[in-house]
Amino acid sequence: AQSVTQLGSHVSVSEGALVLLRCNYSSSVPPYLFWYVQYPNQGLQLLLKYTTGATLVKGINGFEAEFKKSETSFHLTKPSAHMSDAAEYFCAVNNGNQFYFGTGTSLTVIP
Amino acid sequence: DAGVIQSPRHEVTEMGQEVTLRCKPISGHNSLFWYRQTMMRGLELLIYFNNNVPIDDSGMPEDRFSAKMPNASFSTLKIQPSEPRDSAVYFCASSLRGALNTIYFGEGSWLTVV
Repeated sequence: AQSVTQLGSHVSVSEGALVLLRCNYSSSVPPYLFWYVQYPNQGLQLLLKYTTGATLVKGINGFEAEFKKSETSFHLTKPSAHMSDAAEYFCAVNNGNQFYFGTGTSLTVIP
Repeated sequence: DAGVIQSPRHEVTEMGQEVTLRCKPISGHNSLFWYRQTMMRGLELLIYFNNNVPIDDSGMPEDRFSAKMPNASFSTLKIQPSEPRDSAVYFCASSLRGALNTIYFGEGSWLTVV
């Protein structure tokens, strides 16, 4: 069975501070992991994905995520938050047939 | 390339009326998904199709909801009769089937039932 858990439905950071959004997964098959971002009044857009190979994945807008098999985690980070990063972030796992999304984390950036 | 195209973008309808949401997936994609997003329940998968065949409709809330995919380039989600609790954003998404592949979302159809 596949599932995704995002710890913290709301995260607030100051502009320029580190962003850390947590994601843990369970998967009965090798996991293919994704982070999506949803800006207000828009659909979900791909930030980055892990399939195979290097466990540190870089995405758009300065975000990156590290796949840690031993911790079953795929946390999303960005060294320095920008006001434009305020959005909803979703972690997802794909089992080959369908995607399983987490419940989302709303990121607020404080000026 | 055009992304996933949904229509209408916004719809306001009266309770009891029929609502039809439309989706054109990305050309070449063989999996299509309908999601519903609300503040209370977050993002919910309603149904998905592989090669135009419905695979899992366990997320469809009740018989008032139905979805069809008559061909590879078109799908509809119909609500009949609509109720206020159906008010939500409905997203269509498509992908190439397979674990490595990315799912692409449309901009959503914002439905308000009054």
